[in-house]
Amino acid sequence: EIVLTQSPATLSLSPGERATLSCRASQSISRFLAWYQQKPGQAPSLLIYDASNRAPGIPARFSGRGSGTDFTLTISSLEPEDFAVYYCQQRSNWPPLTFGGGTKVEIK
Amino acid sequence: EEQLVESGGGLVQSGGSLRLSCAASGFTFSSFDMHWVRQTTGKGLEWVSAVGTASDTYYADFVEGRFTISREDGKNSLFLQMNSLRAEDTGVYYCARVTKWGWYFGLWGRGTLVTVSS
Repeated sequence: EIVLTQSPATLSLSPGERATLSCRASQSISRFLAWYQQKPGQAPSLLIYDASNRAPGIPARFSGRGSGTDFTLTISSLEPEDFAVYYCQQRSNWPPLTFGGGTKVEIK
Repeated sequence: EEQLVESGGGLVQSGGSLRLSCAASGFTFSSFDMHWVRQTTGKGLEWVSAVGTASDTYYADFVEGRFTISREDGKNSLFLQMNSLRAEDTGVYYCARVTKWGWYFGLWGRGTLVTVSS
């Protein structure tokens, strides 16, 4: 099973600041990684697929990069609606599909 | 509008059973692989099971033969029969549809809460 480790667990930032979230895989997953955003009381929502492709309707301030074992989600300038929990998910080696433990982006 | 709506969750005693349902609308259900993903306090987001368009099935190891996924394309419905439930199965169960780019989840339901009392 591929383990995804996200860091940091919590990121405290102000609106307008840049957020950088990390996801590390226990073995190479090529570029088969997605990022999701989850707000309280809601299901996760797809942001990025295949490491760097924005899903339809996702603003350009969200970007993803990486390959192999190290991946990054960057939010270039935080908007109030971006404060949420973010998860990564791999589809390289399944079953099982696996998720990271999440990074909470909170208002400083 | 594309939509998934889960139902069937509730409170059950350890060792009991539940059958979750997911009603799909707004898209061609039969054309998509479908999944169940759960969110628990202890483990966060966990993939549970998948059923392909040919009714091929896949399960997480922790299922250990206790759950059965199925689909009924004529009724645009997905099911998860859960037997021998354990306290650690407590959580919100989401029905999810894959994307055209692979097994990522582009459409989620709102989830149904399963609580297993010990």
